[in-house]
Amino acid sequence: GAVVSQHPSWVICKSGTSVKIECRSLDFQATTMFWYRQFPKQSLMLMATSNEGSKATYEQGVEKDKFLINHASLTLSTLTVTSAHPEDSSFYICSASTGEYEQYFGPGTRLTVT
Amino acid sequence: AQSVTQPDIHITVSEGASLELRCNYSYGATPYLFWYVQSPGQGLQLLLKYFSGDTLVQGIKGFEAEFKRSQSSFNLRKPSVHWSDAAEYFCAVGAPDSGYALNFGKGTSLLVTP
Repeated sequence: GAVVSQHPSWVICKSGTSVKIECRSLDFQATTMFWYRQFPKQSLMLMATSNEGSKATYEQGVEKDKFLINHASLTLSTLTVTSAHPEDSSFYICSASTGEYEQYFGPGTRLTVT
Repeated sequence: AQSVTQPDIHITVSEGASLELRCNYSYGATPYLFWYVQSPGQGLQLLLKYFSGDTLVQGIKGFEAEFKRSQSSFNLRKPSVHWSDAAEYFCAVGAPDSGYALNFGKGTSLLVTP
């Protein structure tokens, strides 16, 4: 149980375009979802926290107009990287929580912007 | 502000040898503590967690961790390492006054030699 999926697992896009990443909780309802960014050989940095039906709360330094997060249902959250640039290339990981401290992590999405 | 320190960036152990990965945290009260493992290009898998109670916590894959309040530590141990344990290990902390977001350490990369 407690499976979280991400789609796509790997995406390449051209600079200036937008890309959407989906995060789904497959067998539970997630009241809270988190989006992390991980650079090679580095730790996870929390980008934003989203609660179903509410606006996401972004961490300091994260551009909310660039990284659009939507949590439209209890099983789906999306991260849209708008006007992507090469510096946005990274590994993006989502996690989902039922409202407690344990988070269930997705497998991650590798974004490469050319 | 809470912080998590994993002092060892890389650790190399021989297969069959014992393992201890260090984690220290800084927080005024007892936080919620987690250990996650990440294989290359993958998401995170929860190894074990500590919320309260018995300070020696058993996890999956033969791992255990001990919470020591006096040392603000939550070190991960395994009596006999297998080659498949080679991965990146992250200690994470959640605090009651920061919602359900987790603060991750920088990670320890484990290499297992024959």
